[in-house]
Amino acid sequence: AQSVTQLDSHVSVSEGTPVLLRCNYSSSYSPSLFWYVQHPNKGLQLLLKYTSAATLVKGINGFEAEFKKSETSFHLTKPSAHMSDAAEYFCVVFYSGGYQKVTFGTGTKLQVIP
Amino acid sequence: EAGVAQSPRYKIIEKRQSVAFWCNPISGHATLYWYQQILGQGPKLLIQFQNNGVVDDSQLPKDRFSAERLKGVDSTLKIQPAKLEDSAVYLCASSLSSGSYEQYFGPGTRLTVT
Repeated sequence: AQSVTQLDSHVSVSEGTPVLLRCNYSSSYSPSLFWYVQHPNKGLQLLLKYTSAATLVKGINGFEAEFKKSETSFHLTKPSAHMSDAAEYFCVVFYSGGYQKVTFGTGTKLQVIP
Repeated sequence: EAGVAQSPRYKIIEKRQSVAFWCNPISGHATLYWYQQILGQGPKLLIQFQNNGVVDDSQLPKDRFSAERLKGVDSTLKIQPAKLEDSAVYLCASSLSSGSYEQYFGPGTRLTVT
């Protein structure tokens, strides 16, 4: 069975400081992992994805994430937060071992303080 | 390219009534997903189509929810009869194929059941 856990429901950072949004997954096989962002009153948009290539993945808007198999983690980071980063972020795991299953995390709401 | 279209954007119904949502995916996308997103939670996959066949409907409450994808293009999700706990945003997404492909999300339909 697969699952994904976002460790923080809310994260608050000051503008210009680093962002860390944590995600742990559980999967019997090597999964594909994604981060999506949902701005208020807007649709979900892909930030980045990991599909068994380079473990450090760069996405849009300066975000990146590192796949760590030993820690079953896929944390999202950004060196310097911008006000426009305030949104909800979802970690998503996709498993294709025998059947295909996509599971969203519960989300982390990022607040950026000016 | 045109994005994923959904209609209606908002719907208010009374419990025990029926409702239908429509989704038009991006042209050429073989895979279509329906998600339910309850306020404060991550999207939950209800059903996944590959062309006009069902890949995964394990979380679809089949006693009241039904979905179809005629001719492998447009899709309709129906609820009959609706319950108060069905109040949520219903998201449609499409991707080129099933697997580790980016999902493109529509704006969603916000359903309120009173």
